[in-house]
Amino acid sequence: AQSVTQLDSQVPVFEEAPVELRCNYSSSVSVYLFWYVQYPNQGLQLLLKYLSGSTLVESINGFEAEFNKSQTSFHLRKPSVHISDTAEYFCAVSFTGGFKTIFGAGTRLFVKA
Amino acid sequence: DTGVSQDPRHKITKRGQNVTFRCDPISEHNRLYWYRQTLGQGPEFLTYFQNEAQLEKSRLLSDRFSAERPKGSFSTLEIQRTEQGDSAMYLCASSLARGGMNTGELFFGEGSRLTVL
Repeated sequence: AQSVTQLDSQVPVFEEAPVELRCNYSSSVSVYLFWYVQYPNQGLQLLLKYLSGSTLVESINGFEAEFNKSQTSFHLRKPSVHISDTAEYFCAVSFTGGFKTIFGAGTRLFVKA
Repeated sequence: DTGVSQDPRHKITKRGQNVTFRCDPISEHNRLYWYRQTLGQGPEFLTYFQNEAQLEKSRLLSDRFSAERPKGSFSTLEIQRTEQGDSAMYLCASSLARGGMNTGELFFGEGSRLTVL
């Protein structure tokens, strides 16, 4: 069965520090990978995605994630976080030719001044 | 606003009552999904529609739950005889699949929060 594991439920970090949010998935078929972000009192929105091609993908606000097929991981990184990055981040996977997207339990990023 | 909209945003009801949630997807999207999210968890898949056809239902969706998408436009999710365990955020999402190919990118509404007393 396919699954997504986010290894950290909460990550507190100081402003301007680097951060890594970890995500591992389990699948026997090819996958598409996503990170969604949910700001307080808002809906989930797509942060970045890996469909094919370059294994390093970037968002417009400085986050990046790298697809590592051998380690079945898709960790999210940012070299310097801002207070405004405080949110819950969800790793998600869907399966090529499929319809369902499976989400991890989420990681709450809390950026402190 | 051309995003996914959900109504109502909040619903408080007593155990045993019926509730209905509505979702209006992005107009050109042919796929519509319902997810449930409880505190501390990620969204859990409930069901999805391709146009007006309901093609998959999760085992999480008991007989008390029913979803429709008449004419392939808006969708409703009804919960009959609500129980306290039904308290959750109900999320609607839509996507566009071309030629049966789906990249899995979902566009979410802000959700409908249900509290069952």
